[in-house]
Amino acid sequence: QSVLTQPPSASGTPGQRVTISCSGSSSNIGRNTVNWYQQLPGTAPKLLIHSNDQRPSGVPDRFSGSKSGTSASLAISGLQSEDEADYYCAAWDDSLNGVFGGGTKLTVL
Amino acid sequence: QVQLQQSGPGLLQPSQTLSLTCVISGDSVSSNSATWNWIRQSPSRGLEWLGRTYYRSQWYNDYAVSVKSRITINPDTSKNQFSLQLNSVTPEDTAVYYCAREGYSSRWYGPRRYYYYYGMDVWGQGTTVTVSS
Repeated sequence: QSVLTQPPSASGTPGQRVTISCSGSSSNIGRNTVNWYQQLPGTAPKLLIHSNDQRPSGVPDRFSGSKSGTSASLAISGLQSEDEADYYCAAWDDSLNGVFGGGTKLTVL
Repeated sequence: QVQLQQSGPGLLQPSQTLSLTCVISGDSVSSNSATWNWIRQSPSRGLEWLGRTYYRSQWYNDYAVSVKSRITINPDTSKNQFSLQLNSVTPEDTAVYYCAREGYSSRWYGPRRYYYYYGMDVWGQGTTVTVSS
């Protein structure tokens, strides 16, 4: 049972917009910033979004993040086949320290 | 270009101590703008942050509550690396272990210093650790 709650799966067709939610509490998302990671099979996670809505250099602007209260969302617009991956949210929890979501497996139909 | 190279044994017996090392190139373990983290991943537990070490005039460590009694993360400035030790392992500790860097900056607001973290942007290649008798 992960501290941050994500839907286990999401799907979309090429070109569509998909959103993935991440629900937390006042001790984590409510007080601290959220990061998002993309993990392709057999590879280490890759930083996709940091500080709620900031894209690191090299991340396409198709990826965007937002936060409201104790929840955050990752949006992927113009879905592409190479976006098929697992996506994780993460935040600092004031009691537990670093915490991750359980991950969302994105399927491009 | 920052790179992290992990090393350590992949097979342990229950009750042994897990020891992994992460060698840093392109940055310094003593940097005052980075923390150095260990994370693990297993099918049953997903991604799990284990702890970090960082230098701000002195060395600090933060550990996950779930492993706090068994974990030690140490920096080694002479070799520009950091290590993970996890004592008394059980099959539940079987996982892929990663090291990672997280950058940060700070700003003073009046008498108080605030820290801004930028996510774990550099990861090691991962080490599969199996605990089995």
